[in-house]
Amino acid sequence: LAKTTQPISMDSYEGQEVNITCSHNNIATNDYITWYQQFPSQGPRFIIQGYKTKVTNEVASLFIPADRKSSTLSLPRVSLSDTAVYYCLVGASFNKFYFGSGTKLNVKP
Amino acid sequence: DSGVTQTPKHLITATGQRVTLRCSPRSGDLSVYWYQQSLDQGLQFLIQYYNGEERAKGNILERFSAQQFPDLHSELNLSSLELGDSALYFCASSVGTGDYEQYFGPGTRLTVT
Repeated sequence: LAKTTQPISMDSYEGQEVNITCSHNNIATNDYITWYQQFPSQGPRFIIQGYKTKVTNEVASLFIPADRKSSTLSLPRVSLSDTAVYYCLVGASFNKFYFGSGTKLNVKP
Repeated sequence: DSGVTQTPKHLITATGQRVTLRCSPRSGDLSVYWYQQSLDQGLQFLIQYYNGEERAKGNILERFSAQQFPDLHSELNLSSLELGDSALYFCASSVGTGDYEQYFGPGTRLTVT
């Protein structure tokens, strides 16, 4: 099972770029890396998914090194509304849906 | 709005009781997932169904069971409830199984007293 390790919490200020790293040393060849965002008392929401190198969409970028043992979610110019818990999910290709404890991002004014 | 609906929104019941949580997936989605989230905890995967068949099992207790019906809605049954079962229960759906984007419902908050 490709369990993941993330920092428990991070602080940032509005307008800064935030990078959240997830370690997944046992990632399988078929696994994609998926990131979700969760606000209090709401269901998680998909942010971005990637397999290797770099993926970018309108809200975030995902950097994956060649060995794929880690990944970094990059949020450009965060705002107060980005305060949330961020989860990386690995292992879904084997129907292993391990979200872990996530990273609690606190954006300050 | 993810398109996934869950009922009821809130449920308060006593220890030893049995409850049923209901989930309707997004139109066209064949997979349904159930997750449990206790206070300030991460998401715990319970079980997944794909097109009516159980596909994957996580940390689901024997007191809990689920099923997916021909119209693809799903129910999670929780019996012999204990105080520790108090949590948010989320349902999610996806078009397939594996590395597909999961769409989460708003959750059912269960309080066992």
